[in-house]
Amino acid sequence: DTAVSQTPKYLVTQMGNDKSIKCEQNLGHDTMYWYKQDSKKFLKIMFSYNNKELIINETVPNRFSPKSPDKAHLNLHINSLELGDSAVYFCASSQRPRDVAGYTFGSGTRLTVV
Amino acid sequence: ILNVEQSPQSLHVQEGDSTNFTCSFPSSNFYALHWYRWETAKSPEALFVMTLNGDEKKKGRISATLNTKEGYSYLYIKGSQPEDSATYLCASDTGRRALTFGSGTRLQVQP
Repeated sequence: DTAVSQTPKYLVTQMGNDKSIKCEQNLGHDTMYWYKQDSKKFLKIMFSYNNKELIINETVPNRFSPKSPDKAHLNLHINSLELGDSAVYFCASSQRPRDVAGYTFGSGTRLTVV
Repeated sequence: ILNVEQSPQSLHVQEGDSTNFTCSFPSSNFYALHWYRWETAKSPEALFVMTLNGDEKKKGRISATLNTKEGYSYLYIKGSQPEDSATYLCASDTGRRALTFGSGTRLQVQP
């Protein structure tokens, strides 16, 4: 059983489309995150939810909207996709916002906008 | 230091060599420093989380130290093996309730 699973693993789509990436964790964690791996390979925080409540919303275009239907799921919806949105997106979870056990990451979703 | 910085960016060593890398992070509002190991085509995996100045953690041949006053951490690998080849990420928690990651040190161990 994968602890943090993201779908799809690869996503190729045209500019202007709307797409979603799903993330689910079966660890019983309260906190989930979306990170974007930028062109310099840094992992940059986008959003964080704790128990379905948004606690971090970084400077991200409002075309990106997270949705947490329950604490085991954090989905990322992107409207009007642009070329610059092409990146690898990682979902992660932790027991709480400051967890000395560290984060558990999903395997990433490679988004390519053409 | 405003960001998390790691050096070197990449490192090639021979099997059996010992090696170390550096992570520099903002020392104000410090809460925790994390190290992750990231193998190609896999997810980052937590190695250590350190919170106290002077902390030292060890897992097999890998160990890490922490200096929160000056804002740095070292990761050491003793007797590197080819299976140690990976990118090693450090990340700091400085009050934002999410980790700020460095760009990683990519280690290649030649058999």
